[in-house]
Amino acid sequence: DAGVIQSPRHEVTEMGQEVTLRCKPISGHNSLFWYRQTMMRGLELLIYFNNNVPIDDSGMPEDRFSAKMPNASFSTLKIQPSEPRDSAVYFCASSSPLSRGGEQFFGPGTRLTVL
Amino acid sequence: DAKTTQPTSMDCAEGRAANLPCNHSTISGNEYVYWYRQIHSQGPQYIIHGLKNNETNEMASLIITEDRKSSTLILPHATLRDTAVYYCIVRGMGGTSYGKLTFGQGTILTVHP
Repeated sequence: DAGVIQSPRHEVTEMGQEVTLRCKPISGHNSLFWYRQTMMRGLELLIYFNNNVPIDDSGMPEDRFSAKMPNASFSTLKIQPSEPRDSAVYFCASSSPLSRGGEQFFGPGTRLTVL
Repeated sequence: DAKTTQPTSMDCAEGRAANLPCNHSTISGNEYVYWYRQIHSQGPQYIIHGLKNNETNEMASLIITEDRKSSTLILPHATLRDTAVYYCIVRGMGGTSYGKLTFGQGTILTVHP
């Protein structure tokens, strides 16, 4: 299995631009999570989906952030417009009800830099 | 979910056991203790979880006190590749808590040659 796939791995953009991060969960997993990691705030859950439906988006910082999961094999996290404080590593994770204890499998992350 | 407290950092000699403590004094009866680790520049990785009994798998052992207010993750023979940030997380298994992992600051474990 290829594991959770995220793209791009690195993104550098200018303030005000739209940024789209992509995630392909492990095949057969029905839960998908988006996290953000910064030095100041650590690792934070932004939103998670179960069976393609958003269950909890209380961690989404503001209206500039949106996430979609159009099908079981693809999700996007969009930031529009981007700001320098959005610079962080964004992780996507997936899990299956068959995973031991609901183990979450994390992708390699996307390092976002907003200038 | 209950809050956890971990030491900021710990050192361990290669080949020795690494014992990482975690306090979770407000844990409730239906909450599990999870451990994840994050090696530099990688996504977090699941290690082990438990409810009240001690658990062991191919990576580590988890010892939970009888009152469940604290636990210890044991890496029996630490290697340099075990250098990472270790997160202790308490998580419910039902309702809106299901699926949510709340990461604290974790313990930075450094394994020395």
